[in-house]
Amino acid sequence: QVQLVESGGGVVQPGGSLRLSCVASGFTFSSYGMYWVRQAPGKGLEWVTFIRYDGSIKYYADSVEGRFTVSRDNSKNTLYLLMDSLRAEDTALYYCAKDYAGGNPYWYFDLWGRGTLVTVSS
Amino acid sequence: DIQMTQSPSTLSASVGDRVTITCRASQSISNWLAWYQQKPGKAPKLLIYKASSLENGVPSRFSGSGSGTEFTLTISSLQPDDFATYYCQQYNSYSPLTFGGGTKVEIK
Repeated sequence: QVQLVESGGGVVQPGGSLRLSCVASGFTFSSYGMYWVRQAPGKGLEWVTFIRYDGSIKYYADSVEGRFTVSRDNSKNTLYLLMDSLRAEDTALYYCAKDYAGGNPYWYFDLWGRGTLVTVSS
Repeated sequence: DIQMTQSPSTLSASVGDRVTITCRASQSISNWLAWYQQKPGKAPKLLIYKASSLENGVPSRFSGSGSGTEFTLTISSLQPDDFATYYCQQYNSYSPLTFGGGTKVEIK
């Protein structure tokens, strides 16, 4: 069925690194822009990053620019988020999400995964 | 960055009530606004896009309106399944995409 499944979350010390993965199924992954959106415990939603369907364009929130790297492997239907220099304020549930339309992005999300929890703590 | 402000932050209502949630943008975003519903422990679900377009499969009791800087999400007759938190999201400017702080709809 149409779904996104995240993995890779866990507990990491401040300054550490973590790589998240998101496996897509049920749709043509290579045709859609993809996003990571996070939600700190008990808080609202925060957009983190976007990657174009072919990986040629990437955008980041200022809060993660220079520390996080988004990538994708269309042959594996998988989206990644490499997180370096992690801080306590990066603690959140990380969702991957699919753009509404194929090709050029519509900039809103019609399919979300269940999320993977990242906890940054010593 | 475009700031999105939702009000109220919490709303107590009864089944059958008409509910209205407001979202204000710090600058004009035309009609580039989406609404999501999130239930506890679940991922958000798209309800409305382009301010007033209903996503496929979303009940018609949900409607959106507005343009420029002020927007509303209305539930015409609140149902038990509608108790949740609602978020608006602007996409007039992709960098960055921003969400409102959320409105929790509680049982009165």
